[in-house]
Amino acid sequence: EIVMTQSPATLSVSPGDGATLSCRASQSVSSNLAWYQQKPGQAPRLLIYGASTRATGIPARFSGSGSGTEFTLTISSLQSEDFAIYYCHQYNNWPWTFGQGTKVEIK
Amino acid sequence: EVQLVESGGGLVQPGGSLRLSCSASGFTFSSSGMHWVRQAPGKGLEHASAISGDGGTTYYPDSVKGRFTISRDNSKNTLYLQMSSLRPEDTAVYYCVRRSLAAIYWGQGTLVTVSS
Repeated sequence: EIVMTQSPATLSVSPGDGATLSCRASQSVSSNLAWYQQKPGQAPRLLIYGASTRATGIPARFSGSGSGTEFTLTISSLQSEDFAIYYCHQYNNWPWTFGQGTKVEIK
Repeated sequence: EVQLVESGGGLVQPGGSLRLSCSASGFTFSSSGMHWVRQAPGKGLEHASAISGDGGTTYYPDSVKGRFTISRDNSKNTLYLQMSSLRPEDTAVYYCVRRSLAAIYWGQGTLVTVSS
């Protein structure tokens, strides 16, 4: 099973500032990596798939990069609605595995 | 438009059984592998089961192996998860998920609570 490790666990950011979230895989997942945003009581919302492709309707301030084992989600200028938990997800192999999440909170 | 609608969740006693359903539309269901992903309250995401498009290949984590059975009815565009010998640690929201080349689609989830 591929282990996905996200860092940091919590990120305190002021509105308008940028944020960089990291995700590392224990072995290569090629570009089969997705990022999600989740708010309380809601299903995960797909932001990025294929490591760098924004999903339909996702604002351009969200961008993804990386391949193999190292991946990054960048939020260029945080809006109030962006404060949430973010998960990375590898779908290169069964079982799918997920990072433990990064909570982005208001500083 | 791809739609995944789960149903069948609820409150069940430890040791009990429950069958979840996921009604799919907007894509060729029989050609698509399907997945159940669960999330316990306040916890992260866990791949709970998977099945290939023809139903010939399945996956279960050790935590549910021998207790859960994933199946599909391609004539009804419906995915199932039969859960038996349920434990309190199976309490979670269960999501039906489909991966395509263009995106990953999630249902809204159905809550399963295992408690006496």
